[in-house]
Amino acid sequence: KNEVEQSPQNLTAQEGEFITINCSYSVGISALHWLQQHPGGGIVSLFMLSSGKKKHGRLIATINIQEKHSSLHITASHPRDSAVYICAVRRGGGATNKLIFGTGTLLAVQP
Amino acid sequence: DAGVTQSPTHLIKTRGQHVTLRCSPISGHKSVSWYQQVLGQGPQFIFQYYEKEERGRGNFPDRFSARQFPNYSSELNVNALLLGDSALYLCASSLVGQVGSEQYFGPGTRLTVT
Repeated sequence: KNEVEQSPQNLTAQEGEFITINCSYSVGISALHWLQQHPGGGIVSLFMLSSGKKKHGRLIATINIQEKHSSLHITASHPRDSAVYICAVRRGGGATNKLIFGTGTLLAVQP
Repeated sequence: DAGVTQSPTHLIKTRGQHVTLRCSPISGHKSVSWYQQVLGQGPQFIFQYYEKEERGRGNFPDRFSARQFPNYSSELNVNALLLGDSALYLCASSLVGQVGSEQYFGPGTRLTVT
């Protein structure tokens, strides 16, 4: 079992729909990242959070430390949101900032 | 300011050859991490360097090595290439090397081993 699990693996939505991507993890963490990866590979960091909720534009990320669960929400989705969304966690303690990644959620938003 | 840069962007090598990938961090960032992303999977941690010293190493064979230079740029070296080394190699830089520092990713180097 992977230490970081995402669901769904694939998601197709119509433009304007509200989208939720879920991430569950099984290890103690110091921070959780939501990342966006477009075809061609480049990764962009969307959020880094360790508690509560963060909002940036149409994107909202929440985390529940007790339940070891985080969600990424996209409101009023648009075709340009189509990408792979990846959840990654940084383990608590230790001297490194090594990230452990989920396998990603492939999102396709259709016009 | 330039973000994290990596070179080359694409590379094709044959089995048994050696490859060197390069990464320049964001100006002022002292930590560089390397990740391998095989097609269809999430990235896997290979190395982290901070202030020119190895801070962490993932579960990769000794064919993989890295180093960080005084200007904080970094090289990832892979010897005796195997077909399974074909992947996107990502570099990420952060201000410091410790827990709590946000990482910024480069565009990656896509390595194909034939």
